[in-house]
Amino acid sequence: GAVVSQHPSWVICKSGTSVKIECRSLDFQATTMFWYRQFPKQSLMLMATSNEGSKATYEQGVEKDKFLINHASLTLSTLTVTSAHPEDSSFYICSAAIGVNEKLFFGSGTQLSVL
Amino acid sequence: DQQVKQNSPSLSVQEGRISILNCDYTNSMFDYFLWYKKYPAEGPTFLISISSIKDKNEDGRFTVFLNKSAKHLSLHIVPSQPGDSAVYFCAASPYNNNDMRFGAGTRLTVKP
Repeated sequence: GAVVSQHPSWVICKSGTSVKIECRSLDFQATTMFWYRQFPKQSLMLMATSNEGSKATYEQGVEKDKFLINHASLTLSTLTVTSAHPEDSSFYICSAAIGVNEKLFFGSGTQLSVL
Repeated sequence: DQQVKQNSPSLSVQEGRISILNCDYTNSMFDYFLWYKKYPAEGPTFLISISSIKDKNEDGRFTVFLNKSAKHLSLHIVPSQPGDSAVYFCAASPYNNNDMRFGAGTRLTVKP
């Protein structure tokens, strides 16, 4: 089946630093990728939709200047958490679909801890 | 705004018995529903889906039932196996749109 690779799996950083998370579709081209965040005991919350070659579409309440998304190619999307703060500590996960209304394939997620 | 709700955070069943996981949604525009399974430290994996034109979809031990009038769906696993122990997420999206909303998940534990 389709594989989505997400790196790093976990990261610990100091407050104020920036963290980049990569999401790659390994065996298919994904014109659209999705970024989610999950706080403990809460649902996966869609943060933004990443479109190859164009600006990402952010969900209401998600700061686009803080969570920078770049979808530079059909197989790579990156999420950069800029000037991270402890409240940004969360589980971030990406997904991609081969087509519209198809099931999503998820990366393995990134646990971010900001000290 | 929690458009997809899984009101049971956990469920424990005996091996061989039926597991029933429930999910409710509020958005009448949702047309496509999926269940994902998630093991610790891994991303969710697709399990089974159903579109609104159906009220039942079956795949081996897994069956999803959709009640559109009640805005309710359920996942039945029978017989349950210890390897089914995981967190199960219900998800929904409008048709022809990958904008998917997830429930909070239900942790299923199947005891040997």
